[in-house]
Amino acid sequence: EVQLVESGGGLVQPGGSLRLSCAASRFTFSSYWMTWVRQAPGKGLEWVANIKQDGSEEYYVDSVKGRFTISRDNAKNSLYLQMNSLRAEDTALYYCARVGHLYDVSSYFTNWGQGTLVTVSS
Amino acid sequence: DIQMTQSPSTLSASVGDRVTITCRASQSISNWLAWYQQKPGKAPNLLIYKASSLESGVPSKFSGSGSGTEFTLTISSLQPDDFATYYCQQYNSYPVTFGGGTKVEIK
Repeated sequence: EVQLVESGGGLVQPGGSLRLSCAASRFTFSSYWMTWVRQAPGKGLEWVANIKQDGSEEYYVDSVKGRFTISRDNAKNSLYLQMNSLRAEDTALYYCARVGHLYDVSSYFTNWGQGTLVTVSS
Repeated sequence: DIQMTQSPSTLSASVGDRVTITCRASQSISNWLAWYQQKPGKAPNLLIYKASSLESGVPSKFSGSGSGTEFTLTISSLQPDDFATYYCQQYNSYPVTFGGGTKVEIK
């Protein structure tokens, strides 16, 4: 069964930085687009960013453009989210997820991790 | 950006009921729509993709329909395990956007 395990969350001051990681296993990581989706406490889901299999394409929601960077290391089966200039409104549970099925790169999310909590507060 | 509007936001139903949740897109998204179930404290779980394709392992009591701007998720016979929050999501174009969610509660 597909496994995705996020880490790196925590408490950070406004303006600070944090790097989230997602360790993937039990599937061919390099064959799939990957994504980050977040959920503020008690709120709905918000897509954050997608990255192509080889890292050559990235897409972001406007609210994080220029502040967040999605990346991946296929040799380590790992996905990352570098978050800079953090704001209170970035406080959320951050999920990594696998995108689509093999040979179907449509951006629905088939498998999710359990999330890592990021709290931005002074 | 494409706005996704779900209705109702809360739905009270009884075990055995047939329930329908509606999702409307602010512009046509063809059939590029997914549905997810989320239980408290858990990650979302994909139910339906491409508007009506059932994800592997998901019970057939869940079904999706629609195209263009209007979509529905139907649960044929509500069971205790189905009380959860349901989200629609469009992937016709970036940014990917989700509906606000429909919480299905016990009546």
